[in-house]
Amino acid sequence: QVQLQESGPGLVKPSQTLSLTCTVSGGSISSGAYYWSWIRQHPGKGLEWIGYIYYSGTTYYNPSLKSRVTISVDTSKNQFSLKLSSVTAADTAVYYCARVLGGDPYFDYWGQGTLVTVSS
Amino acid sequence: QSALTQPASVSGSPGQSITISCTGTSSDVGSYNLVSWYQQHPGKVPKLMIYEVSKRPSGVSNRFSGSKSGNTASLTISGLQAEDEADYYCCSYAGSSYAVFGGGTQLTVF
Repeated sequence: QVQLQESGPGLVKPSQTLSLTCTVSGGSISSGAYYWSWIRQHPGKGLEWIGYIYYSGTTYYNPSLKSRVTISVDTSKNQFSLKLSSVTAADTAVYYCARVLGGDPYFDYWGQGTLVTVSS
Repeated sequence: QSALTQPASVSGSPGQSITISCTGTSSDVGSYNLVSWYQQHPGKVPKLMIYEVSKRPSGVSNRFSGSKSGNTASLTISGLQAEDEADYYCCSYAGSSYAVFGGGTQLTVF
């Protein structure tokens, strides 16, 4: 059974960089069948796809966030990470990591989510 | 890349059937049979209910079904149960390896 777990600071100051890591267990992140994704949910709002990464390092980002987002992968640790720069209060959200079947964006396994608040 | 359009809320009584629509464009829903649906109970993690328009993952009740016509996908829940009360989100492939979600629909079972 694949499990994903997000980790990182729950509070980030405005203009700083939000950094989160997702640790995958029960399966290899290097499995060629899957992409690995970040999704966020603003308080009381809907889901927003941030981007995904393949184990090779190939990335795809939401065009609306592309200028501020970097997703990276560390296959040796079975982890992938999210960095979102120049954050504002509008980036306050629950951030989820999820597994995606390659080429077919459906998210079959999700982490529990982590709330990141942007505030001074 | 705009969010897919879903009704803000739908409701039904136990035993009834309801349908939630998800309207996109010819660049996403209309071009690909790659629509998925997620159920999210308050404070919980979204759960995959339907993928590739109409396929159900193992363990999902056959009361949940999906379809698509043109630029609109639909999720139908038959034999409504109290436990179905939740938020539902659609998601579609939007080309160039992008994904786009709908705004979500709150289902009330009264």
